[in-house]
Amino acid sequence: SQKIEQNSEALNIQEGKTATLTCNYTNYSPAYLQWYRQDPGRGPVFLLLIRENEKEKRKERLKVTFDTTLKQSLFHITASQPADSATYLCAPIQGAQKLVFGQGTRLTINP
Amino acid sequence: DTGVSQNPRHKITKRGQNVTFRCDPISEHNRLYWYRQTLGQGPEFLTYFQNEAQLEKSRLLSDRFSAERPKGSFSTLEIQRTEQGDSAMYLCASSLGQGRDGNTIYFGEGSWLTVV
Repeated sequence: SQKIEQNSEALNIQEGKTATLTCNYTNYSPAYLQWYRQDPGRGPVFLLLIRENEKEKRKERLKVTFDTTLKQSLFHITASQPADSATYLCAPIQGAQKLVFGQGTRLTINP
Repeated sequence: DTGVSQNPRHKITKRGQNVTFRCDPISEHNRLYWYRQTLGQGPEFLTYFQNEAQLEKSRLLSDRFSAERPKGSFSTLEIQRTEQGDSAMYLCASSLGQGRDGNTIYFGEGSWLTVV
């Protein structure tokens, strides 16, 4: 069955450092992969979409990579700030265009 | 563009009662999705519509759950004879479904259901 694993349930990073989150998937050949941010009690907010033919995508302090050989996506936040603290969700998309989510990584940026 | 709108935001109901949630997607978005999320978990797919056609339903969607999108615009999710295990946040999302950005899926703020 399709499986998505995000590297850890919780990650604590010092302010100013780069946070790196990992998303691994199995039994999947996604054409796209999306990353979302979710704050407590709120709906997920779309951050970035990367296609299978794109190795890397950037948006301001965010960078996403997509390695279809390793079946892995990495999500980086550079110059991290306490306001970046949230849960981050990855979701590969295949076929019927529905998202299947990992369990998320709760990121805390410590001042 | 007002985003995906969900109502009500919070609902407390007694076990056995029926509840209905409404979702208004972003205008001109052809695809509409329903997800369910419990604490500490990622959202779980329930069902999705392409215009008014319901194209896929998860096995999570028991017979007590029904979703409609009668005119291809807003959608409703009804849960009959609610059980305590139905307590969760119900998320609606929509996407354009075509074009370069057609696969980007946008979520509403969710409808919290508590069954007591």
